Amino acid sequence: QVQLVESGGGVVQPGGSLRLSCAASGFTFSTYGIHWVRQAPGKGLEWMAFIRSDGSNTYYADSVRGRFTLSRDISKNTLYLQMNSLRAEDTAVYYCAKGISTDDYSFHFWGQGTLVTVSS
Amino acid sequence: DIQMTQSPSSLSASVGDRVTITCRASQSISNFLNWYQQKPEKAPNLLIDGASSLQSGVPSRFSGSGSGTDFTLTISSLQPEDFATYYCQQSYSTPLTFGGGTKVEIK
Repeated sequence: QVQLVESGGGVVQPGGSLRLSCAASGFTFSTYGIHWVRQAPGKGLEWMAFIRSDGSNTYYADSVRGRFTLSRDISKNTLYLQMNSLRAEDTAVYYCAKGISTDDYSFHFWGQGTLVTVSS
Repeated sequence: DIQMTQSPSSLSASVGDRVTITCRASQSISNFLNWYQQKPEKAPNLLIDGASSLQSGVPSRFSGSGSGTDFTLTISSLQPEDFATYYCQQSYSTPLTFGGGTKVEIK
């Protein structure tokens, strides 16, 4: 069955960097786009980024564009989110998610999330 | 960007009540509208996509309707396990956007 497992969260100082991973299994990784969605403590859901199935196109929310970068390693079935210049407002649980069709904009499957805390 | 406005932001209801949550898009999104349920400390769960298509395993007391800019999620008879926060999300175009959420609490 489809499984998405995030890792890499932790505590980082403002201005610092962190790399999150999303390990995928149960489907052909190279044929699906995958999203990142985050949720600040006690707040709603915010879509952040998407990498298309062909890996050639990435999309970002304005709030993270230029600071966050998506990449993937097909051999490891893993998606990475490199987060630079972190701010307090980036504190959130970060989820990776995918749909059921190739470059779906719906989130049928979610990981369990990984918590990122930006604090001095 | 497409803004999604959800109402109410919270509601109190009793088991057995009929509950309606609305979601309005700032521009037409056809039927590219999804509904999610989220329980505390858990990832969201997709209930309905395409405005009205119930996902496998989701109880039939949940239903969705609407197209264009106005959408509704209805729970026909609220059950104890339905107390949660519900979000709408437009899947029409990036940046993908969510409504602010509706917290359904026990009355």
